[in-house]
Amino acid sequence: NAGVTQTPKFQVLKTGQSMTLQCAQDMNHNSMYWYRQDPGMGLRLIYYSASEGTTDKGEVPNGYNVSRLNKREFSLRLESAAPSQTSVYFCAGHQGLLRTGELFFGEGSRLTVL
Amino acid sequence: DAKTTQPNSMESNEEEPVHLPCNHSTISGTDYIHWYRQLPSQGPEYVIHGLTSNVNNRMASLAIAEDRKSSTLILHRATLRDAAVYYCILIRGGADGLTFGKGTHLIIQP
Repeated sequence: NAGVTQTPKFQVLKTGQSMTLQCAQDMNHNSMYWYRQDPGMGLRLIYYSASEGTTDKGEVPNGYNVSRLNKREFSLRLESAAPSQTSVYFCAGHQGLLRTGELFFGEGSRLTVL
Repeated sequence: DAKTTQPNSMESNEEEPVHLPCNHSTISGTDYIHWYRQLPSQGPEYVIHGLTSNVNNRMASLAIAEDRKSSTLILHRATLRDAAVYYCILIRGGADGLTFGKGTHLIIQP
């Protein structure tokens, strides 16, 4: 089992460029999430997908789009990157109820926007 | 969402027990108490959770106050690998993701 896999692990962009962060899981998760973490801060929710075919905004969705391609994959797209989007991005997923279960995270994707 | 309060940092010695406190005075009756930790340069990982009773697993113990307004994560014998940021999080029914605060930065001295 690979768990939750994120690609790429590192990326440097110039302002205005676009890119997609990929996330795939092989743990049969119904729900998947994208978080960002800025230095010295806790994680903030960008978007989530409660099930295949559905997506919803989290706390900080501006500047991002997501696609739940199938049950396994949940991608995060930056259409026009800005320096404020420099951060570490984490994908996560879980099966069943969140409050009685466990959220599994990927290792993170470190993005720098110049 | 109910808020949690944790110390910014704590320090302990290797091979000693560690008690990480969390206050959650506005907790509601259906909120579960979860603990996650984040090792350096890694994603968060689940540690333990509970509702009312104390809980034990291979990683840690969770002691919940009788009025549920506070809880304590107990690492019975800290190792250097336990140095991490520990997050205390309340999760209620229908929650959409976890809300992370700044957590407690645990430093383990050899």
